[in-house]
Amino acid sequence: AQSVSQHNHHVILSEAASLELGCNYSYGGTVNLFWYVQYPGQHLQLLLKYFSGDPLVKGIKGFEAEFIKSKFSFNLRKPSVQWSDTAEYFCAVNGGYGGSQGNLIFGKGTKLSVKP
Amino acid sequence: GAGVSQTPSNKVTEKGKYVELRCDPISGHTALYWYRQSLGQGPEFLIYFQGTGAADDSGLPNDRFFAVRPEGSVSTLKIQRTERGDSAVYLCASSSGRTGGLDEQYFGPGTRLTVT
Repeated sequence: AQSVSQHNHHVILSEAASLELGCNYSYGGTVNLFWYVQYPGQHLQLLLKYFSGDPLVKGIKGFEAEFIKSKFSFNLRKPSVQWSDTAEYFCAVNGGYGGSQGNLIFGKGTKLSVKP
Repeated sequence: GAGVSQTPSNKVTEKGKYVELRCDPISGHTALYWYRQSLGQGPEFLIYFQGTGAADDSGLPNDRFFAVRPEGSVSTLKIQRTERGDSAVYLCASSSGRTGGLDEQYFGPGTRLTVT
């Protein structure tokens, strides 16, 4: 069955540092990919998504992600983080061989702590 | 407009008791999803409704879990004979349903269930 791996459990950065969070999924085929963010005390909210087209997608708050089909990856990036980016980040997928057409399959999440 | 709401926000129950968790989706959203999030994990899919019917209930862990959506709006997740292992945050999400479940899912704040 489809699964999602997020490589880092906890990342600690200083403000203005660059960020890259890894995400890999297990099965190919036509997939839809998402990054969700959960700020402390808030709901999960969508950061960005990839359905088709340009593999470099831009989301809110200066985040972007690149879909590399050959690597089954969808890494999240931000050139310069801010203290307000402190949150937990979840990569999710639907579709693909062994996957679903409705529900999302999430990774375990990466907690990002940004030091002021 | 109003987002997804869930009640109660917290529920503490004794092992063996029955609980109901309620989800009010965004008005007009035909697709509704339930997920469960245990500590240190990403959300795990339970069940997906399209309208009144369960389009995919493959994530329900066993027959103690049941969910309904009788009028295609509000949904109730029902857990019988609760066990300590059921303790988790139960998340509800809704989406427009226009693309058969592949569109953006909007999450509620969750219900934290603690079974003592």
